[in-house]
Amino acid sequence: GQQLNQSPQSMFIQEGEDVSMNCTSSSIFNTWLWYKQDPGEGPVLLIALYKAGELTSNGRLTAQFGITRKDSFLNISASIPSDVGIYFCAGLYNAGNMLTFGGGTRLMVKP
Amino acid sequence: DAGVTQSPTHLIKTRGQQVTLRCSPKSGHDTVSWYQQALGQGPQFIFQYYEEEERQRGNFPDRFSGHQFPNYSSELNVNALLLGDSALYLCASSLNRGGYQPQHFGDGTRLSIL
Repeated sequence: GQQLNQSPQSMFIQEGEDVSMNCTSSSIFNTWLWYKQDPGEGPVLLIALYKAGELTSNGRLTAQFGITRKDSFLNISASIPSDVGIYFCAGLYNAGNMLTFGGGTRLMVKP
Repeated sequence: DAGVTQSPTHLIKTRGQQVTLRCSPKSGHDTVSWYQQALGQGPQFIFQYYEEEERQRGNFPDRFSGHQFPNYSSELNVNALLLGDSALYLCASSLNRGGYQPQHFGDGTRLSIL
C-alpha cells in the first residue's frame, strides 16, 4: 500500500531557529496536508496543498507541494516554545477518502 | 460550536473482549472517518462512513466494524481484542461537498489491552 516517509524523525533546536522537515512517497497524491499533534490531543490541520508546485504560508509556517506530486516539505521560521509537538504529513489521492499519514517528526525547542 | 467529541477518553480491556467507541462529529459535518494510532506512529485509516454506510475501508480485519446513525454520530466496534489493538483511536469528521474537505479530529480514545 501507499507509504509516506517523513524525516527527520526528531529535531531538538534552539528557540529562534528555523526548522525544515519533509515527506516523500512512492505514490502520487493529489492533496498534501500538514498536521500538528500535541500530547493528549488529536491532530490539528496546519496547511493544505492542492496543486503540484503550490507554495502556501500560514503565519510562520510555509509548505510546498512537490512538482512530482510525491513529496512535500514544511518550514517553520523563528521557532518558539509552543511549536513543540509532533508534525505529521498526510496525503490524499481521492477527495473525501482516506488520508495516508507519515510517521511524524517530533520537534523539541530549547528556550 | 462543539468540535468532534469522542467517548470514553480512556478504556482498559482484556484480550478476547469486545469494545465500542463513540464519536459525535463537528456540527454540520456528515462524514465520519476512524483512524488507529499506535504509540510513536502516524494514524492509520480504518474506515469512513457517509449516509450510514461504509464508504471506504483501510487494511483492517473484519473484527473492526462500525456504524453511523441518522444524526451522523458513529461507533467503532472491535471484537476479539488482541494486545496489538492497544492504541489511540481517532475520529475525524468532514462535510461531503465535493473536492477535498478538511477532516477535523477529536482527541481520541486511548484503548489499552491487558
